[in-house]
Amino acid sequence: GQQLNQSPQSMFIQEGEDVSMNCTSSSIFNTWLWYKQEPGEGPVLLIALYKAGELTSNGRLTAQFGITRKDSFLNISASIPSDVGIYFCAGQRSGTASKLTFGTGTRLQVTL
Amino acid sequence: NAGVTQTPKFQVLKTGQSMTLQCAQDMNHNSMYWYRQDPGMGLRLIYYSASEGTTDKGEVPNGYNVSRLNKREFSLRLESAAPSQTSVYFCASSEHARGAWKLFFGSGTQLSVL
Repeated sequence: GQQLNQSPQSMFIQEGEDVSMNCTSSSIFNTWLWYKQEPGEGPVLLIALYKAGELTSNGRLTAQFGITRKDSFLNISASIPSDVGIYFCAGQRSGTASKLTFGTGTRLQVTL
Repeated sequence: NAGVTQTPKFQVLKTGQSMTLQCAQDMNHNSMYWYRQDPGMGLRLIYYSASEGTTDKGEVPNGYNVSRLNKREFSLRLESAAPSQTSVYFCASSEHARGAWKLFFGSGTQLSVL
């Protein structure tokens, strides 16, 4: 099955730095979702994007739905230690959630 | 405010043993899912249930069976566990809003097959 390409695979940053990560696909998606997974827990939905070009914020997080509908970006501003985790993108075509495709994840580590 | 509850949290099996992973959701969602998560592979869909009484195969169904017991509960069974089934398993349910399906995950079951 198809997997979305996420980059970078991992990031080590200092507290206070800004973070950018992206997700690309060879296929078009109608919806992009960004999830965060903390150690020992399941993924939690952060942001949902519904149309091409859309820019949505959730606190220090900002995500964008690419114009081509084949990519999406997530930015975290002024990182803090609790931002540590794995960030997953997910693309969805029309139909049921069984058509959701997940990225391989970006592991974020924040040092003091 | 439980959301999606999975049991057990951890499990160790010997090759050939069987076990059932339990999942329940209290959000009145129609659709439920079982995923497995392996390093570097992201989340892969094993089985899903679009509504009570229906189940369908996902991307990696071999070696698994599921039962949608009622609207709340969706179980995953390994009839004869193999080392390749060592993974973290997540149950999820979903709601539909603004044309998108949003998944809500349980906290996972870490399974080791020796």
